[in-house]
Amino acid sequence: DADVTQTPRNRITKTGKRIMLECSQTKGHDRMYWYRQDPGLGLRLIYYSFDVKDINKGEISDGYSVSRQAQAKFSLSLESAIPNQTALYFCATSDLSGRSSYNEQFFGPGTRLTVL
Amino acid sequence: GENVEQHPSTLSVQEGDSAVIKCTYSDSASNYFPWYKQELGKRPQLIIDIRSNVGEKKDQRIAVTLNKTAKHFSLHITETQPEDSAVYFCAASRAGTALIFGKGTTLSVSS
Repeated sequence: DADVTQTPRNRITKTGKRIMLECSQTKGHDRMYWYRQDPGLGLRLIYYSFDVKDINKGEISDGYSVSRQAQAKFSLSLESAIPNQTALYFCATSDLSGRSSYNEQFFGPGTRLTVL
Repeated sequence: GENVEQHPSTLSVQEGDSAVIKCTYSDSASNYFPWYKQELGKRPQLIIDIRSNVGEKKDQRIAVTLNKTAKHFSLHITETQPEDSAVYFCAASRAGTALIFGKGTTLSVSS
């Protein structure tokens, strides 16, 4: 089945380290998103990309950067990780070509990141 | 930009009761309002959505209502069951933008 995958699924790192979280999808969707989830704060949008040459900041982009290497791949980087970036990170995809519900987003399994 | 407020943050009901979760949004141009369910340890999944040209939509035990004038929409779950226990998120977006989510409601259904 077409899916959204994330690597790694769990990562523990130290303050100041550079970290990259990767997202791949086989759904053929154009649009990809990165969210972080914190207890009580819901899902907050970090960055999103509507095609390979398009990058947009979300609600909480400070301290993060992204790269859209191909239609199917969207990576999130933390240049210098800090403890308050400890969270569950989700990648998501969507397609407005009519093959799915209007802007329905499909989520990956999540990456649990801990910054010590 | 869009801001979505969701209430309550926690909701406890007895099996068989109804549950209602409410959301308000700020951007009057938003026209798509989905609801996602996230079971413990799993990814969020779409359970129902509504577009701005529709006032109500039902799918078995769940329904969503939209009041564009007041900029609020609600999720209604009837005849709740223990497997309805999860975190529910509302979201809103306008054409060409990403979804903005509410903070979530933890629903607990006790038998």
